[in-house]
Amino acid sequence: DAGVIQSPRHEVTEMGQEVTLRCKPISGHDYLFWYRQTMMRGLELLIYFNNNVPIDDSGMPEDRFSAKMPNASFSTLKIQPSEPRDSAVYFCAILFGVDQETQYFGPGTRLLVL
Amino acid sequence: AQSVTQLDSHVSVSEGTPVLLRCNYSSSYSPSLFWYVQHPNKGLQLLLKYTSAATLVKGINGFEAEFKKSETSFHLTKPSAHMSDAAEYFCVVSFTLSGNTPLVFGKGTRLSVIA
Repeated sequence: DAGVIQSPRHEVTEMGQEVTLRCKPISGHDYLFWYRQTMMRGLELLIYFNNNVPIDDSGMPEDRFSAKMPNASFSTLKIQPSEPRDSAVYFCAILFGVDQETQYFGPGTRLLVL
Repeated sequence: AQSVTQLDSHVSVSEGTPVLLRCNYSSSYSPSLFWYVQHPNKGLQLLLKYTSAATLVKGINGFEAEFKKSETSFHLTKPSAHMSDAAEYFCVVSFTLSGNTPLVFGKGTRLSVIA
């Protein structure tokens, strides 16, 4: 997983509750990405950051979703309030290497909203 | 518009036989191309990448892919399938980080390996 830690690995919550997903790359980097994966829609880019600044959040589904990156080694994706259709696996990824083109993914957080 | 198409949603092969997973892309630029693999309940792992060097790229676990500009293809192959190769495979194209979508993912091809 190239040193990307995601927590929690599994989350079960009830509709209406706030959910916070966390991503911690082990080493500093320039870019960080949040993806969502579902059976119906496949892998979708939600948002990405460059030097802790959000560059493109056009993939964020709606205002219930928000993401922050307070420093180079930590990012959060928050859903408030959560809905059953938010159930998915959420991946965090970083750019790695001198070419800055290869993305390395964390293990993902499997979210189930009841 | 840039896009990537994986021509098969599911491929089934017998153990020991060759694997071919097909990928075509559409781009106005010379892209960088990747194949990622995802095993059940796991994250995505990089198999190999092409970045305008040699057109035949060798990756991990015996996989390789050939970039064919004339056909706009980047098919993934392996001479002999193992049971452990059963997974979801994604063809991915990188255009530019200054664009709206730095990576474009294919829909994925699920590879089944039959004993």
